[in-house]
Amino acid sequence: DSGVTQTPKHLITATGQRVTLRCSPRSGDLSVYWYQQSLDQGLQFLIQYYNGEERAKGNILERFSAQQFPDLHSELNLSSLELGDSALYFCASSVDPVGTIYFGEGSWLTVV
Amino acid sequence: TQLLEQSPQFLSIQEGENLTVYCNSSSVFSSLQWYRQEPGEGPVLLVTVVTGGEVKKLKRLTFQFGDARKDSSLHITAAQPGDTGLYLCAGVKSGGSYIPTFGRGTSLIVHP
Repeated sequence: DSGVTQTPKHLITATGQRVTLRCSPRSGDLSVYWYQQSLDQGLQFLIQYYNGEERAKGNILERFSAQQFPDLHSELNLSSLELGDSALYFCASSVDPVGTIYFGEGSWLTVV
Repeated sequence: TQLLEQSPQFLSIQEGENLTVYCNSSSVFSSLQWYRQEPGEGPVLLVTVVTGGEVKKLKRLTFQFGDARKDSSLHITAAQPGDTGLYLCAGVKSGGSYIPTFGRGTSLIVHP
């Protein structure tokens, strides 16, 4: 158990819908990362937050957005969902932006 | 185009065999990390190598960072079924945001 908690673990939704994935980082960690893992693209970095502020942006689509709240939990919002958005979405956390990254167990999203 | 190329993509071996997986890039990294991901879980950091030519050992696993800091290898001696999983390498570039960029991984199955 990495200490990073993600909900929901599994989610099935229809194209065009919007979903929110939630992440609680390890106790004491200020930095949160979101990654997308799919068979064709591998593990792709989406976005990083540090202490509530966006710190780095990766291959995140404009239909996706994220935020980190004052209690340090984070949410990833995915809208206008397409079949190609079906993937495993990981949240990870670290104590600071250069610390060891610990991954949660992921949220399986299936878009039908 | 993937920044980090891992080979082989798949490996199926018998218990007791030795194996080597490779991680190659045309880019120079300040450090390179190896993770193992088991089904239903997130990647877990195994080791970080930071110096060109560095060799690190973790029980039966030997990690090497290339002299030019562009490539790395992971050698497993006398593989066991518990070594089964997806092995991911991730590079961190100097002067950047310290976000690891992942290869697509090598999927290893060790048969008893």
